[in-house]
Amino acid sequence: KQEVTQIPAALSVPEGENLVLNCSFTDSAIYNLQWFRQDPGKGLTSLLLIQSSQREQTSGRLNASLDKSSGRSTLYIAASQPGDSATYLCAVTYNFNKFYFGSGTKLNVKP
Amino acid sequence: EAQVTQNPRYLITVTGKKLTVTCSQNMNHEYMSWYRQDPGLGLRQIYYSMNVEVTDKGDVPEGYKVSRKEKRNFPLILESPSPNQTSLYFCASSFYGQGREKLFFGSGTQLSVL
Repeated sequence: KQEVTQIPAALSVPEGENLVLNCSFTDSAIYNLQWFRQDPGKGLTSLLLIQSSQREQTSGRLNASLDKSSGRSTLYIAASQPGDSATYLCAVTYNFNKFYFGSGTKLNVKP
Repeated sequence: EAQVTQNPRYLITVTGKKLTVTCSQNMNHEYMSWYRQDPGLGLRQIYYSMNVEVTDKGDVPEGYKVSRKEKRNFPLILESPSPNQTSLYFCASSFYGQGREKLFFGSGTQLSVL
């Protein structure tokens, strides 16, 4: 059974801090990995997608890295803002039919 | 506007009363899938479809049915709902291949089975 783990489950930081969210997966033969944002009562929004052949992807203040050999991905958020408060989930897929999600990290950025 | 539309947004029903949750996407995506989200268990995949008339089970398919007769629609059917199917349901879609596999999600359907 494929497992995806996210640590920490919750994180509270003051505005302006740089922070790192972690995602680990048990099987390193992934097809791709995605990071999502989920706001309360809403659906998920894909933030970054990393193909298995890539090491990182960047979008604005977000940078996601992938280390398949160690089964890990990190999401780096620079200069955090209160609007970044949300739950962040990672998901892996191995042959693009089934997706496996972590339970998420709930981020609170305090003004 | 590119979107995945789920209906209804909220649904309260009773045990055994058949229901259908609709999902429609306007992006011409080949891939569509259904998930349920439960506290402490995260998102778990129910069914997926790689294209019209091609569907397969995810990790938690028991008690659910799907069909894909048109590319844009992928309804989720609960023939005889039970209280353990009370959950938040999401539909998602994507292109397949060429690095375009970002999943687009609907806004969710909160289902309560009494």
